[in-house]
Amino acid sequence: EAGVVQSPRYKIIEKKQPVAFWCNPISGHNTLYWYRQNLGQGPELLIRYENEEAVDDSQLPKDRFSAERLKGVDSTLKIQPAELGDSAVYLCASSLVGGSSYEQYFGPGTRLTVT
Amino acid sequence: TQLLEQSPQFLSIQEGENLTVYCNSSSVFSSLQWYRQEPGEGPVLLVTVVTGGEVKKLKRLTFQFGDARKDSSLHITAAQPGDTGLYLCAGAKETSYDKVIFGPGTSLSVIP
Repeated sequence: EAGVVQSPRYKIIEKKQPVAFWCNPISGHNTLYWYRQNLGQGPELLIRYENEEAVDDSQLPKDRFSAERLKGVDSTLKIQPAELGDSAVYLCASSLVGGSSYEQYFGPGTRLTVT
Repeated sequence: TQLLEQSPQFLSIQEGENLTVYCNSSSVFSSLQWYRQEPGEGPVLLVTVVTGGEVKKLKRLTFQFGDARKDSSLHITAAQPGDTGLYLCAGAKETSYDKVIFGPGTSLSVIP
């Protein structure tokens, strides 16, 4: 079974430029997460989707970040314009919510460097 | 406010030593997961614990969920260089649809 796929793996952009990240979750997983992870820290949730619906976007900086999950499968996270502080690893994860467990399966991440 | 705390933040040990890392919270969790993350990769799920007092073993790794479901520990016996990585705990609060909270992680380095 294929895991969570993310692209690109690395991205270097200048500040004020736009950038987009793409995620394809594990087939059949209805929940998709975007996280931001700074070096040596745990992932911080940006947005969580249940199928097509964004059920938790409270930590998403909406002035510059946007996300979509068309048809409840793939998802795109966009930053426009990027700032120096946006440099981080952006992780996508998916899960099949049910019962009492919330086991998430992560992609390899996109390492963003803003110069 | 960090809902999940992990200790120690950093740990460097010699191959063959034993170690324990901790995950603590003031909140009750319906389940708690442990992940290991290697440099340049995403976290990989190691185990899920759901019952207070539960103990799970994965080869040389022993995971325990506290009786009150507020804390957890991970014990590694005879650590190997391949155990090196960032160990993250993550908890799902009891209310349905609550988000999973990640701790800041324990960075483990096992020196050959």
